[in-house]
Amino acid sequence: EAGVVQSPRYKIIEKKQPVAFWCNPISGHNTLYWYRQNLGQGPELLIRYENEEAVDDSQLPKDRFSAERLKGVDSTLKIQPAELGDSAVYLCASSLSGTGNTDTQYFGPGTRLTVL
Amino acid sequence: AQSVTQLDSQVPVFEEAPVELRCNYSSSVSVYLFWYVQYPNQGLQLLLKYLSGSTLVKGINGFEAEFNKSQTSFHLRKPSVHISDTAEYFCAVSDRDGGFKTIFGAGTRLFVKA
Repeated sequence: EAGVVQSPRYKIIEKKQPVAFWCNPISGHNTLYWYRQNLGQGPELLIRYENEEAVDDSQLPKDRFSAERLKGVDSTLKIQPAELGDSAVYLCASSLSGTGNTDTQYFGPGTRLTVL
Repeated sequence: AQSVTQLDSQVPVFEEAPVELRCNYSSSVSVYLFWYVQYPNQGLQLLLKYLSGSTLVKGINGFEAEFNKSQTSFHLRKPSVHISDTAEYFCAVSDRDGGFKTIFGAGTRLFVKA
């Protein structure tokens, strides 16, 4: 069974440029998470989807970040414009379901973003 | 709000020695606790989790952790480590009050030496 797929694995851009990350969760997983992991830190939740609905986006910097999961399967996270402080690893995870339970989250390998 | 403290940023240990990675969390009525491992250039993988019941939880790769409510701790242990255990280990917590959002600690780098 394929795990969580993310692309690209690495991205280098100049500040003020746009960037997008793509995630395909494990088949059948209804819940999808986007995390940001800064160097030397643990992951921090940016947004959580239950199917196509964003149920927790309280940590998403909405002035420059956006996300979508139109058909409740794969998802895209976008930053426009990128800032130097956005350099981090962006992790996608999925689980069977999320709200009110503790299903295991399965993580993708992440996209390492470097903003110059 | 929940918080997680991993007391050691790095733990060097010799191969075949025992190891304990410490984790403390802020108190809550009912918590769920997790340990994840992250190998270089890979995503996180669940080692074990505590939901309820027995306070001693066994996970993959010979790891175990003990939930101590009075100490608000969830330390990870392995009696004999291998070179391949070298990785970053993250403790995490979630609870009902926090909407079951998973809060991660800053991580502990385990370095196993030959």
